[in-house]
Amino acid sequence: QQQVKQSPQSLIVQKGGISIINCAYENTAFDYFPWYQQFPGKGPALLIAIRPDVSEKKEGRFTISFNKSAKQFSLHIMDSQPGDSATYFCAARSSGSARQLTFGSGTQLTVLP
Amino acid sequence: NAGVMQNPRHLVRRRGQEARLRCSPMKGHSHVYWYRQLPEEGLKFMVYLQKENIIDESGMPKERFSAEFPKEGPSILRIQQVVRGDSAAYFCASSPSTRNEQFFGPGTRLTVL
Repeated sequence: QQQVKQSPQSLIVQKGGISIINCAYENTAFDYFPWYQQFPGKGPALLIAIRPDVSEKKEGRFTISFNKSAKQFSLHIMDSQPGDSATYFCAARSSGSARQLTFGSGTQLTVLP
Repeated sequence: NAGVMQNPRHLVRRRGQEARLRCSPMKGHSHVYWYRQLPEEGLKFMVYLQKENIIDESGMPKERFSAEFPKEGPSILRIQQVVRGDSAAYFCASSPSTRNEQFFGPGTRLTVL
């Protein structure tokens, strides 16, 4: 059962453009929503994260928008650069005792020079 | 402060053999998570351990898979009698507590011939 749905599967953006990746979740027992960036052959690295009591969080060129009532959140990458080309995963952390992460299926972003 | 270390980085096994994957958490981290990533998919939670204890193994197959995190030494994910479907990247993450960020290792890529 997939509890976090991510789209699009792949995204191609011109340098300087805005990249937008969307995620939706079903389980209301999530309390923390991180985004991870993964380069080929590497492990995921935390990019930015948000808690459900906040509607937006911005760090540099990266912004998370969060809509609690719609159970949706999105990542916006402003002024996209070729170095941003990677796979991006949204995730949601369980509020249970284990606090494990449930990941979306990933978006492969390519930023053209 | 070294990051999460995993070894081996690549592991090739024939069907029926055993695979042992090791994870050394970051210094001061006593919480370890194992995730599996199949090709073109997101990471799936397998098991959560604290020192000498398995806290949640709800994501781990009931047969052939086991995990441990001894008082001394790395956490071990053991897969007995591997099958082709076990081919995947296995990631370990560590955290100082369940409320903190999980830091991921570089992963072990298991190939079953």
